[in-house]
Amino acid sequence: GNSVTQMEGPVTLSEEAFLTINCTYTATGYPSLFWYVQYPGEGLQLLLKATKADDKGSNKGFEATYRKETTSFHLEKGSVQVSDSAVYFCALSRYAGAQKLVFGQGTRLTINP
Amino acid sequence: ETGVTQTPRHLVMGMTNKKSLKCEQHLGHNAMYWYKQSAKKPLELMFVYNFKEQTENNSVPSRFSPECPNSSHLFLHLHTLQPEDSALYLCASRPPGSDGELFFGEGSRLTVL
Repeated sequence: GNSVTQMEGPVTLSEEAFLTINCTYTATGYPSLFWYVQYPGEGLQLLLKATKADDKGSNKGFEATYRKETTSFHLEKGSVQVSDSAVYFCALSRYAGAQKLVFGQGTRLTINP
Repeated sequence: ETGVTQTPRHLVMGMTNKKSLKCEQHLGHNAMYWYKQSAKKPLELMFVYNFKEQTENNSVPSRFSPECPNSSHLFLHLHTLQPEDSALYLCASRPPGSDGELFFGEGSRLTVL
């Protein structure tokens, strides 16, 4: 079946550090891939997405590239801020427009000043 | 603020109580979802409704009973729950033609005593 595996958290970094959160997936066909972010006390919101191989999604300084050969969609940011502290979820849909989103377990990120 | 509103934000109930969670959106979205978020586990899809019709029931126990009277409102009726049902229940909606982006509410934190 379809599944998403994220790196175990929690992750703690200092401000301005480089961030990578690993995400790999298992899926048949050509899934669409997403990163969602959940700030404290809030619901999830879409951070970025990519719908085909080699696409790069980007938003708010975060980037992730859809790598079909390694079935990965790692999240990166060059210089994190305290305000980036949140839980990050990798997700896939089996194909563009599919109604069902499969999520990873989430990675809690804490940025210290 | 995503436009998806959930009430109540917090609920404590005994195992013999009956309560309901409510979700509403006036974004014109046609699909609505219930997800369960438990600590250190992936988000679990519970139910999906499309144009008021249930299209997904992810083997959810019958003590959870969804209701979707129209495309803007979604309820989750709770009856004789177990302590392990304590979790954050997230509602989401999806716009027509979306490639997978969901709009989440802030969640209802449920504690079953």
